[in-house]
Amino acid sequence: DAKTTQPNSMESNEEEPVHLPCNHSTISGTDYIHWYRQLPSQGPEYVIHGLTSNVNNRMASLAIAEDRKSSTLILHRATLRDAAVYYCIRGPVWGNTGKLIFGQGTTLQVKP
Amino acid sequence: DAGVTQSPTHLIKTRGQQVTLRCSPISGHKSVSWYQQVLGQGPQFIFQYYEKEERGRGNFPDRFSARQFPNYSSELNVNALLLGDSALYLCASSLGGVLKANYGYTFGSGTRLTVV
Repeated sequence: DAKTTQPNSMESNEEEPVHLPCNHSTISGTDYIHWYRQLPSQGPEYVIHGLTSNVNNRMASLAIAEDRKSSTLILHRATLRDAAVYYCIRGPVWGNTGKLIFGQGTTLQVKP
Repeated sequence: DAGVTQSPTHLIKTRGQQVTLRCSPISGHKSVSWYQQVLGQGPQFIFQYYEKEERGRGNFPDRFSARQFPNYSSELNVNALLLGDSALYLCASSLGGVLKANYGYTFGSGTRLTVV
């Protein structure tokens, strides 16, 4: 049970911003929100994670709703290399027993 | 720096055979996890090992087993292979432990197993 809901697919034009939504209406107060992406023929790659505040790193930004029932991954300028499956994951995931529960993810297509 | 290394990259096995997949974590990482990814789906958690002990197990039959060695490398074994075991098997390593600061999983590129 992935416990997150994402659109199956999205399209974007190169060099435009992309907003990837995720619903996690049953999230608990201690669950973090994590994003990973998987490029073709590769393993998943960490993108970003956060708890309550919006987060930024060199790859992306994460906007978390005030009620924490949804979040949005923002790629500020999509490139062709951003075409991948993006997974939104909830949970503590760290610690000795941490694990990632993947759903179906969102397949992002970037058009030149 | 070397990332997570998995071997072999591809292999083909016959139903009923046994297979061993190998994973070398990033240097300094003490935790290794295994995931199965069937075509068109997200990865599914199989096992996590930390400091050579099993710390978590997903919903997989006893045909699946794993171990972690003193150098923190790991092997995943699957016995009595079924056609449905055909998948990409991914290994992920992390520093492990309870500190949030140690969070971060790095995945290998996986082993593509085909059972015929």
